[in-house]
Amino acid sequence: GQNIDQPTEMTATEGAIVQINCTYQTSGFNGLFWYQQHAGEAPTFLSYNVLDGLEEKGRFSSFLSRSKGYSYLLLKELQMKDSASYLCAVAAGRALTFGSGTRLQVQP
Amino acid sequence: DAGVIQSPRHEVTEMGQEVTLRCKPISGHNSLFWYRQTMMRGLELLIYFNNNVPIDDSGMPEDRFSAKMPNASFSTLKIQPSEPRDSAVYFCASSTPPSNQETQYFGPGTRLLVL
Repeated sequence: GQNIDQPTEMTATEGAIVQINCTYQTSGFNGLFWYQQHAGEAPTFLSYNVLDGLEEKGRFSSFLSRSKGYSYLLLKELQMKDSASYLCAVAAGRALTFGSGTRLQVQP
Repeated sequence: DAGVIQSPRHEVTEMGQEVTLRCKPISGHNSLFWYRQTMMRGLELLIYFNNNVPIDDSGMPEDRFSAKMPNASFSTLKIQPSEPRDSAVYFCASSTPPSNQETQYFGPGTRLLVL
């Protein structure tokens, strides 16, 4: 089975840096995804990690430690438009199991 | 590319009625996934197809739910009879495996309300 944990809510200030953590316990592992979902919209792909280490993509970075079952999403230079839910998802085979999501509120 | 297309975008129906949700995956994608999202349970995988063949339907709640993929460009998710607890947003996603990374692209979703 799969178990994925992430904080329910976070608040941060515009221009700051925020780190959203995700821990997982899975029976198989083909990679870890982060998706962004604005209210009332579909999830959109942000990042993918399959090997340990940091993947950087513009203002967003994602880190993975397979031995610890741990990942984080790092958002730099926060903008108001970054207010959204961030979903951690683990791939086992071709199926994704999603965490419940972290709702990030960016304040002025 | 138009992305994943879903219809209808919104559906309001009465308990006991049949509901059919439709999905057109991105052209060239060979995998299609149906998800359901609720506040209580988050985003859950219901079923997925690979090359039009159902691979894993363990997430389908019960026999009232059925899904088909008659060809590479069309899939349906049917609920018969519908119940109020089926109210949720239903997402369809498609993917194709480029090398060793398989990214799923989501459609806009169908917001279903069963009264």
